[in-house]
Amino acid sequence: DTEVTQTPKHLVMGMTNKKSLKCEQHMGHRAMYWYKQKAKKPPELMFVYSYEKLSINESVPSRFSPECPNSSLLNLHLHALQPEDSALYLCASSQERREGLSEQFFGPGTRLTVL
Amino acid sequence: DAKTTQPPSMDCAEGRAANLPCNHSTISGNEYVYWYRQIHSQGPQYIIHGLKNNETNEMASLIITEDRKSSTLILPHATLRDTAVYYCIVRVGTTSGTYKYIFGTGTRLKVLA
Repeated sequence: DTEVTQTPKHLVMGMTNKKSLKCEQHMGHRAMYWYKQKAKKPPELMFVYSYEKLSINESVPSRFSPECPNSSLLNLHLHALQPEDSALYLCASSQERREGLSEQFFGPGTRLTVL
Repeated sequence: DAKTTQPPSMDCAEGRAANLPCNHSTISGNEYVYWYRQIHSQGPQYIIHGLKNNETNEMASLIITEDRKSSTLILPHATLRDTAVYYCIVRVGTTSGTYKYIFGTGTRLKVLA
């Protein structure tokens, strides 16, 4: 199974709502990533989890809160977002450095619209 | 972090080779070059990667210059389905023990019938 799944595919939320994005992989990868992608721009790294611990936070605002409940799951909790946070949110996974060389596998993304 | 630069767009005739260049002049010796493509805002799809030597797989070839400051992705016989945005990426190791994948700005390849 070389698939990364993301739910939901689309999400519309108001600025006062709380919602969560979910990502799942069963490839045994111990590194998992969240990216944000605006239209016609490359993906921008937000967070990296390594062995279920937050490894990298690219100075992301606190209204985005990541969580890694286990080695297969990655969540992104959203609260008090702004309209400019509307974007495609991509999850990815890969092997960790000590485990050797592997490419990064991406999910299909969640299209988020903040009203 | 190493950064990549790519032309914003290219056209290629169907059936011809598509050659997509990438500059990564600040790359370090142990940093790999990866290529991904993204179709219609789907998740990026892995194509190929390399360190020093030229690489080939069923999808493409990757030519890396000897000084490693640039590379070229070659799609040998482009089809309409190869129309996509192609990203040149440098994979960087971090002090935390994991990798960061630094995306370039991407080249929008349009394959023409």
